Amino acid sequence: GAGVSQSPSNKVTEKGKDVELRCDPISGHTALYWYRQSLGQGLEFLIYFQGNSAPDKSGLPSDRFSAERTGGSVSTLTIQRTQQEDSAVYLCASSPRTEREAFFGQGTRLTVV
Amino acid sequence: GNSVTQMEGPVTLSEEAFLTINCTYTATGYPSLFWYVQYPGEGLQLLLKATKADDKGSNKGFEATYRKETTSFHLEKGSVQVSDSAVYFCALKGRGGSEKLVFGKGTKLTVNP
Repeated sequence: GAGVSQSPSNKVTEKGKDVELRCDPISGHTALYWYRQSLGQGLEFLIYFQGNSAPDKSGLPSDRFSAERTGGSVSTLTIQRTQQEDSAVYLCASSPRTEREAFFGQGTRLTVV
Repeated sequence: GNSVTQMEGPVTLSEEAFLTINCTYTATGYPSLFWYVQYPGEGLQLLLKATKADDKGSNKGFEATYRKETTSFHLEKGSVQVSDSAVYFCALKGRGGSEKLVFGKGTKLTVNP
């Protein structure tokens, strides 16, 4: 079956522009996560959606970052007024609401020039 | 909140050496525990998991046992190969309340021939 799909796979943007990153989770998965991975670094948690509950936004680094999940499925991560330090790979994952593991997409590599 | 503490690398071994990567956790209740692996240039994928105390997860010659008494989930392999060179992440997923997936900082393993 289809896995977690992220688009675009690569994005180059100019400093100060807004970007939108998309995540299509596995059908039926109620949990959706966004992480950020900078070059050679670990995984930085950004935001977590679980069903119809209020999202856990505790990892968003600034108010320039926001995310939404429409209809309990597709999610969009928006970064406004991008800065060079936003350059990273943005990873999306989804999982069922059980003790099951999360499945990761291939990520979106964002480069801010 | 829940957290994972993982042995920091980098770790460099010769082929056929024994591998241990330590992982301990702090969590309320009984989380599920995971090891993820990221091979060079690839996405994150599940290596093994354990969902309750004393469970042993195993895959590709790697093993980890869920030890509630020591809150640990150490990764072991008896004889590493060059192809095992990757970054390994320990993670936990809580139950009830927040089921956020929490990661350790990752351990980079290099295996030399």
